[in-house]
Amino acid sequence: DIVMTQSPDSLAVSLGERATINCKSSQSVLYSSNNKNYLAWYQQKPGQPPKLLIYWASTRESGVPDRFSGSGSGTDFTLTISSLQAEDVAVYYCQQYYSTPPVTFGQGTRLEIK
Amino acid sequence: QVQLVQSGAEVKKPGASVKVSCKVSGYTLTELSMHWVRQAPGKGLEWMGGFDPEDGETIYAQKFQGRVTMTEDTSTDTAYMELSSLRSEDTAVYYCATDRGEGWFDPWGQGTLVTVSS
Repeated sequence: DIVMTQSPDSLAVSLGERATINCKSSQSVLYSSNNKNYLAWYQQKPGQPPKLLIYWASTRESGVPDRFSGSGSGTDFTLTISSLQAEDVAVYYCQQYYSTPPVTFGQGTRLEIK
Repeated sequence: QVQLVQSGAEVKKPGASVKVSCKVSGYTLTELSMHWVRQAPGKGLEWMGGFDPEDGETIYAQKFQGRVTMTEDTSTDTAYMELSSLRSEDTAVYYCATDRGEGWFDPWGQGTLVTVSS
């Protein structure tokens, strides 16, 4: 099974500042035949289901603000919020879909306002 | 646009079974691959299983094999997840979510809280 490890577990950032969340996979999730990283990011606010933000490691889902961006390749990935807004307070998860079953998620990173 | 609406909260005793439903609208169930993910209180996301269109079969996470059954009623576009031999550790919010053939999940149902308590 591919283990996904996020860092940090929690993060406090001032409004308007940059937030960076990391995700590391125990093996590469880059498929060489199509050069795609099989990695997605989700945002989960309290009492709500997860919401898809990014897939293929860097493709923003329709309707997601452009302050959210994903980067990385192979085993190391980053979700960046360029200018933190109050509504971005949430828990963020990465997920690999390269080697399934099982689908695996990171443990989550809690983002708060400083 | 796909929408998923789940059944309401359940309270079960240890050893019992629970069956959670997930009604699809906007698409037919046959156009989607349905998965189930659970989240214990204050914890992360745990994939339980889902439909693999390449094999045409439902695949279960090893942890739940023998205890979980995922079924579909295509006449009503409703998916079901039944978990048996419940224990307190199964107390969680259970989500259905669709995989549009690529591997990521979107959208998700609103979640169903299952509480296992004597």
